[in-house]
Amino acid sequence: GAVVSQHPSWVICKSGTSVKIECRSLDFQATTMFWYRQFPKQSLMLMATSNEGSKATYEQGVEKDKFLINHASLTLSTLTVTSAHPEDSSFYICSAPTGEETQYFGPGTRLLVL
Amino acid sequence: GQQVMQIPQYQHVQEGEDFTTYCNSSTTLSNIQWYKQRPGGHPVFLIQLVKSGEVKKQKRLTFQFGEAKKNSSLHITATQTTDVGTYFCAGLKGGNTPLVFGKGTRLSVIA
Repeated sequence: GAVVSQHPSWVICKSGTSVKIECRSLDFQATTMFWYRQFPKQSLMLMATSNEGSKATYEQGVEKDKFLINHASLTLSTLTVTSAHPEDSSFYICSAPTGEETQYFGPGTRLLVL
Repeated sequence: GQQVMQIPQYQHVQEGEDFTTYCNSSTTLSNIQWYKQRPGGHPVFLIQLVKSGEVKKQKRLTFQFGEAKKNSSLHITATQTTDVGTYFCAGLKGGNTPLVFGKGTRLSVIA
C-alpha cells in the first residue's frame, strides 16, 4: 500500500534554532499534503495545506512566517519551524491523499525545544 | 467549517466489559477513518468506512458508518488491557481535503 515517510522522527533543539521536517510520499505522487500538530493529550489539528507549485494555505492562528512550508516536488513537502521556542514542542505529522479518497499519514516527528 | 464531534472524551472500563465511542459530523462525509494512538505513540490507522450503512469487523472491533454518512461508531467487545489508548475518528469530506479529527476517546482498561 501507499507509504508516507517523515524525517526526522524526533528532534531536540535549543530555543531560537530552526528545525526542518520532511514528508515524502514513497510510491505515489501527492500534489497536496497536509501538516497536523498534536499537543499532549489533544487531538490532531490541521496546521496547513501544502500545495505543489503554489503557496501553502494556513489555518487560522498558524503563523505562516514561523511555519514555512515548501512543496518542492510531487513527493516531498517540508515544514520548517523557524526560531523554535518551547511552546512549539509538539508532535508534527503529515498526511498525503492518494487521489482515491484515501490519505496516508507519516509516522510523525516529535519536536522538543529546550 | 466542518466539525467532527466525538464522545465520550474518557472511558474507564473493567477488563472484559464492552466499550463504544461515537462520532458525529456536521456535514456529510465521503468516508470516515478510525485511528488508535497508544500513549507516547503516533496515530495508527485502523480502518476506513466508505459506504452508507457500512459495518466492518476486526476481531473484537466493530465499526459502523451511518446511513446518512454523518456518524460512525467503534465498538470493542470484551476489552483487554491491550486496548488501552486514544481512539480518534477522522472524517474526510472528499477529494484533496484534509481529514478532520474528532477530539478522541481515551480508553483505560482496569485489569
